[in-house]
Amino acid sequence: SYVLTQPPSVSVAPGQTAILTCGGNNIGMQSVHWYQQKPGQAPILVVYNDNDRPSGIPERFSGSNSGNTATLTISRVEAGDEADYHCQVWDRSSDQSYVIFGGGTKLTVL
Amino acid sequence: EVKLVESGGSWYKPGGSLRLSCAASGFTFDEYAMHWVRQAAGKGLEWLCSISWDGGRVYCADSVKGRFTISRDNSGHSLHLQMNSLTTEDTAFYYCAKDTLADDSSGSLGLLDSWGRGTLVTVSS
Repeated sequence: SYVLTQPPSVSVAPGQTAILTCGGNNIGMQSVHWYQQKPGQAPILVVYNDNDRPSGIPERFSGSNSGNTATLTISRVEAGDEADYHCQVWDRSSDQSYVIFGGGTKLTVL
Repeated sequence: EVKLVESGGSWYKPGGSLRLSCAASGFTFDEYAMHWVRQAAGKGLEWLCSISWDGGRVYCADSVKGRFTISRDNSGHSLHLQMNSLTTEDTAFYYCAKDTLADDSSGSLGLLDSWGRGTLVTVSS
């Protein structure tokens, strides 16, 4: 089955740019979605279809997807951005379809 | 405002069964596919099952296929997950989530734009 690989952790200082990656075989051919999950809370969608933002999500959150890597970029990182970030795709095979999540990346704001 | 409220979580013994429910409001429930996702403590998100708007298409992860069953009651605006033959590995928070599409006939499902707060299932002897 399709596998998405995320680094377990990323650390960044406030005001800097955080780059979170999500690797998968030819992931550039898929639509990738990103969810933010703060401790004790449910996930919320922050980027969808590679680089679109739901209403209410700051422009500081952006995405890209090409080749074997999708990327979530958080500019001007704030303390409130500290959370787990999960990438996700919909994998469709011949007779079955699956929601696939990456293992998640914990973003620490130093 | 979309609201999803899960219920049914509690403590259960291994080998037992349970049925989770998700009450939906704030949107036209029978126009959207729905999903169940779980998360064990300290772990990532694990997708379990998805169901199309009318229940006609159901997809489940291989890890729970044959043991978990997803269903929906459109008249009652509710989503359900029947879980059988419980093991300690099923201990997790269980979330229901709304899709942005009705089914995969016009695009790819799997864009989960709203989530409930989750319900905790603990399986222990």
